Amino acid sequence: EVQLVESGGGLVQPGGSLRLSCATSGITVTTSYMIWVRQAPGKGLEWVSVIYGGGGTYYADSVKGRFTISRDNSKNTLYLQMNSLRAEDTALYYCIGGVDSSSKGFDFWGQGTMVSVSS
Amino acid sequence: QTVVTQEPSFSVSPGGTVTLTCGLKSGSVSTNYYPSWYQQTPGQAPRTLICGTNRRSSGVPDRFSGSILGNKAALTITGAQPDDESDYYCVLYMGTNWVFGGGTKLTVL
Repeated sequence: EVQLVESGGGLVQPGGSLRLSCATSGITVTTSYMIWVRQAPGKGLEWVSVIYGGGGTYYADSVKGRFTISRDNSKNTLYLQMNSLRAEDTALYYCIGGVDSSSKGFDFWGQGTMVSVSS
Repeated sequence: QTVVTQEPSFSVSPGGTVTLTCGLKSGSVSTNYYPSWYQQTPGQAPRTLICGTNRRSSGVPDRFSGSILGNKAALTITGAQPDDESDYYCVLYMGTNWVFGGGTKLTVL
């Protein structure tokens, strides 16, 4: 059974930093791609970042230059380092595993970790 | 900036058929965008329904189907059930990144 468990969310002041973690089991973080998606309260889903199995990384324009996605293969854990946080980054952050590169879908979802940016 | 469009809301009667669409503000959706569909009920993480245009995810009933209709991706629900009342999101693959549509709120009544 595949499990993705996010942690690291919390309340942070504007301009602050947080590091989210996603511990995986049943898949490896070096699978086809691992993704972060977020959902602001009462809003829709927004793609944030991807790290491909080969190591390539990409970001949404809204977080580029502030967020960094990475992984620790030995711990089978995905990370999202978030710096210079803004109020508009307040959201539930989901970790996603994509194992089928031929379909480019979001195969497995975690339950999310909440990030609140407020003074 | 890529904008993916979805109907904000839709209504279907129990047992009826409904087709939700996913388009591009500029351009046409094709299989090259690998459209996928996700269902979300309040307070829950999204559930994967369809990937790669028409591949049903494990455990998804066959009354959910994906396709390309004209210049849009489509999710068709045949024989809608009350439990299908949810938000539905499509997402398109843009070569290196993905872009979500704004979601469709489906009411079954």
